[in-house]
Amino acid sequence: DAGVTQSPTHLIKTRGQHVTLRCSPISGHKSVSWYQQVLGQGPQFIFQYYEKEERGRGNFPDRFSARQFPNYSSELNVNALLLGDSALYLCASSLAGVYSDTQYFGPGTRLTVL
Amino acid sequence: GENVEQHPSTLSVQEGDSAVIKCTYSDSASNYFPWYKQELGKRPQLIIDIRSNVGEKKDQRIAVTLNKTAKHFSLHITETQPEDSAVYFCAASIYGNKLVFGAGTILRVKS
Repeated sequence: DAGVTQSPTHLIKTRGQHVTLRCSPISGHKSVSWYQQVLGQGPQFIFQYYEKEERGRGNFPDRFSARQFPNYSSELNVNALLLGDSALYLCASSLAGVYSDTQYFGPGTRLTVL
Repeated sequence: GENVEQHPSTLSVQEGDSAVIKCTYSDSASNYFPWYKQELGKRPQLIIDIRSNVGEKKDQRIAVTLNKTAKHFSLHITETQPEDSAVYFCAASIYGNKLVFGAGTILRVKS
């Protein structure tokens, strides 16, 4: 049974560029959440999507956006990259989103902004 | 919003000893408290979780306790082994939505 998958594994961008990160949830899971983990810190919540609708947004600027597709996979987009956006971006999936609690994390995408 | 504080930031124990990590949360509406273990360069892995209608939960060498009145919860690892060395994160949420994480505890088990 496949777990949460993310692509790409690593990414190097320069300031001002745009990036798209992708996530496929565990089969049968309908909710996807995105987290940013800066080195040495705990993950910080960015977005949650359930049944293609945004169900929660963390304290991140409008440069960050996301969407969920009919097959429940998700994309995280970051525009106008800043050096401070360098981090591990984690995707987590859960069964039903609203009242189903356990979140399972993917391996993450390591983004480096130069 | 919710705020989670975690202590200690680093913890060194001798193999076979017990380790305890403590977390406090601020939002009394939080009702789901997972613990994740993250090894270097790997994904956070759920090791145990507890819901607000339960005061304690055990899974082999791992246990979690919850005190809703004081708004704190703790992770207990007994008979520690070198493979327990990792970063441990506590988190709090309402029904699992928007997990708010603590800053993490680096656990080193010395053999």
